[in-house]
Amino acid sequence: QITLKESGPTLVKPTQILTLTCTFSGFSLSTTGVSVGWIRQPPGRALEWLALIYWDDDKRYSPFLRSRLTITKDTSKNQVVVTMTNMDPVDTATYYCAHSQRSSSGSYYQGGLGYYYYVMDVWGQGTTVTVSS
Amino acid sequence: DIQMTQSPSTLSASVGDRVTITCRASQSINSWLAWYQQKPGKAPKLLIYAASTLQSGVPSRFSGSGSGTDFTLTISSLQPDDFASYYCQQYNFYSGYTFGQGTKLEIK
Repeated sequence: QITLKESGPTLVKPTQILTLTCTFSGFSLSTTGVSVGWIRQPPGRALEWLALIYWDDDKRYSPFLRSRLTITKDTSKNQVVVTMTNMDPVDTATYYCAHSQRSSSGSYYQGGLGYYYYVMDVWGQGTTVTVSS
Repeated sequence: DIQMTQSPSTLSASVGDRVTITCRASQSINSWLAWYQQKPGKAPKLLIYAASTLQSGVPSRFSGSGSGTDFTLTISSLQPDDFASYYCQQYNFYSGYTFGQGTKLEIK
């Protein structure tokens, strides 16, 4: 059974750095085709994807927040950490981490290359972060 | 960057109704689209992936269709438990994920 749990501060001050940890079980982030992502949701608003790290340490970031985000993994601890710099009150949100893996549905081969669809299938419960002085 | 436009933003319906939510991508995403259901205070739950594949354990009244840029989520006969918010999400290997802005399904 795959589970994920987010942890970190509930309150940060403007301009500070936010560090959140996702601790997971039921899978290994050294397994081919596995990834972990971070998503946030401001109160009453839509989901916003932030960052993704693949099993091979390849990383992707939201183009809107790329300059502020860093995602890393510690395979031995089964953890993924995301840091966001220069926090602002508009960053107040519930932050989720989620397991994502290659799906045979949707994936295909073309020109000798594999194109893999990653499904974000299991989410943590989320952690609420408030940015206020 | 791939943008996802979801409509409607709010939908009022009754138990037993058939409802459809649409999602349009700003460029072709093949079938790399998922639908999630979210209830207040809870994490999103995967319903459909690869545009039309039903996630294990999800009732068959949920279905998805589409490819390229236009996608739909259909609930064939609304049940009381279905009143929630729904989000589409696209995946792209180079740019990651993007969510639609969500649809709140309300009781009429």
